[in-house]
Amino acid sequence: DAKTTQPTSMDCAEGRAANLPCNHSTISGNEYVYWYRQIHSQGPQYIIHGLKNNETNEMASLIITEDRKSSTLILPHATLRDTAVYYCIESTGTASKLTFGTGTRLQVTL
Amino acid sequence: EAQVTQNPRYLITVTGKKLTVTCSQNMNHEYMSWYRQDPGLGLRQIYYSMNVEVTDKGDVPEGYKVSRKEKRNFPLILESPSPNQTSLYFCASSLKATMNTEAFFGQGTRLTVV
Repeated sequence: DAKTTQPTSMDCAEGRAANLPCNHSTISGNEYVYWYRQIHSQGPQYIIHGLKNNETNEMASLIITEDRKSSTLILPHATLRDTAVYYCIESTGTASKLTFGTGTRLQVTL
Repeated sequence: EAQVTQNPRYLITVTGKKLTVTCSQNMNHEYMSWYRQDPGLGLRQIYYSMNVEVTDKGDVPEGYKVSRKEKRNFPLILESPSPNQTSLYFCASSLKATMNTEAFFGQGTRLTVV
């Protein structure tokens, strides 16, 4: 699985939307974009994934550019409990191997 | 409640003393794997299992063994632990290895080898 690029850290005010970018310029056609987050040192938690269409679930929205070289995870109304490290991952899904980078540390503040 | 359970959560041991970290999932998942997490290195896969009796090496398998005798359990064995295996360990499971599904992670085991 190829590597993704994310900003090291971001801040967001509580109640505002948090937009976390991810570059995956070498993504191949059969690779999905997955997002996970890790709160403190707990086990990573799945958020959302997509192939080329935008996706939304109860936690977040995922916007993937048409050329699939980048994506944005949107937390529509960030709360203090959303403070975590967010990982953007490419995966073909086969063997379910997830290659985690260092992610983006999101700090939600009052 | 669907979950992946690891035990123990914290462990301090001495070099060379064999230990086992257990992992169990109650979701009938086929795919299970072990990761270790170290500062600045992210999560790295140690071993994975596609199904019962099918295991394979991940990116950092040296010093570890696994077994998959039953679908729900995937223990991680350190035959002769060394200080460089001090790390935070996570077990994960997915429904099938060949489907794009989410992975469920355990709460982690913090291992210190002195």
